[in-house]
Amino acid sequence: KQEVTQIPAALSVPEGENLVLNCSFTDSAIYNLQWFRQDPGKGLTSLLLIQSSQREQTSGRLNASLDKSSGRSTLYIAASQPGDSATYLCAVMGSMLTFGGGTRLMVKP
Amino acid sequence: DAEITQSPRHKITETGRQVTLACHQTWNHNNMFWYRQDLGHGLRLIHYSYGVQDTNKGEVSDGYSVSRSNTEDLPLTLESAASSQTSVYFCASSDRLAGVETQYFGPGTRLLVL
Repeated sequence: KQEVTQIPAALSVPEGENLVLNCSFTDSAIYNLQWFRQDPGKGLTSLLLIQSSQREQTSGRLNASLDKSSGRSTLYIAASQPGDSATYLCAVMGSMLTFGGGTRLMVKP
Repeated sequence: DAEITQSPRHKITETGRQVTLACHQTWNHNNMFWYRQDLGHGLRLIHYSYGVQDTNKGEVSDGYSVSRSNTEDLPLTLESAASSQTSVYFCASSDRLAGVETQYFGPGTRLLVL
């Protein structure tokens, strides 16, 4: 059974810092990995999707990497802003989409 | 614009009552999913459907049922609500482009079972 773990569970940083969120998964037989953003009381918004054959994807200040063999992914956020405050979830697609518990990020002005 | 909606957004019910949560999508997606989100567990899959008349059990399906009579809707029914089913419920639909499946999520329904 696939298990997805995200560390840390919560993170607080001052505005402008670069930061890294971590995701690990136990079964490397995946089709893709996605990073989502969730704002309080809202649904999930897809940020980046990395296919199993890819190593990384970039969108603006976000960069996600995937090392399938070691079962790890990172989400790098450059020059963080208060508007980045949210919960970030990673999810791996195998036979179904399996989510990690999320990292709650607070960026302080 | 295409979208996915859920209703109600908030619901309070009593144990033992039957509750139905609605999910409606206008993406014309074949695939639809129901998840629950709880602290410490992330999102867990309850049921999913790959098309009309198709339903499948997910990781935490006990106490829940779904039916798919058309492409747009996948209602989730709690046959006899229990306090353990207090949670936030998310519906999602997905398509597959160039071999990549992307799920789109609704805004969620917050359910409290007293």
